[in-house]
Amino acid sequence: GENVEQHPSTLSVQEGDSAVIKCTYSDSASNYFPWYKQELGKRPQLIIDIRSNVGEKKDQRIAVTLNKTAKHFSLHITETQPEDSAVYFCAASSTSSASKIIFGSGTRLSIRP
Amino acid sequence: DSGVTQTPKHLITATGQRVTLRCSPRSGDLSVYWYQQSLDQGLQFLIQYYNGEERAKGNILERFSAQQFPDLHSELNLSSLELGDSALYFCASSGGTETDTQYFGPGTRLTVL
Repeated sequence: GENVEQHPSTLSVQEGDSAVIKCTYSDSASNYFPWYKQELGKRPQLIIDIRSNVGEKKDQRIAVTLNKTAKHFSLHITETQPEDSAVYFCAASSTSSASKIIFGSGTRLSIRP
Repeated sequence: DSGVTQTPKHLITATGQRVTLRCSPRSGDLSVYWYQQSLDQGLQFLIQYYNGEERAKGNILERFSAQQFPDLHSELNLSSLELGDSALYFCASSGGTETDTQYFGPGTRLTVL
């Protein structure tokens, strides 16, 4: 069945450095790729998303890249700050008849002061 | 605030009991999704409803059921509860298709003793 793999499961970076989280998906019909940030005990919140008609999208310090041929997409956070510490989830979905959104297993990002 | 509401916020019950979790989607959203998140785990998709009809099913146990009412609010019923059902249960809503952004509610924390 459809699957989304996310790596790494944990990531620790120095404040000010960049963080990269990678996801691969199996369903070639996937055409929507959101990223969610979840702080401890809170709801997942959308931070950025990308659709299959573009290869890259940027919003201030965060960017997402998509490689449809290789079926992978990545989240890039630059100039990391303490408030970036959270769990990040990638997801993939499509409008195919058997579609549903599939989430990755999450990456726990810690920013070291 | 995402505009999605969930009640109750916390629920403590005993094994073998039955509970109902409630979700009201954002105004105008037709789709409701239910997710289960166990401690330090990812988001497990349970079920999706669209405009009152079941649209997609994930890893939902037979002891669990859901429905979406004409006013578009949804309820998740959990019966014959087991210790392992203790988790955060999130509801999310979107405009309709699987490639619409999902907005999550604050969650219901269920504790089964």
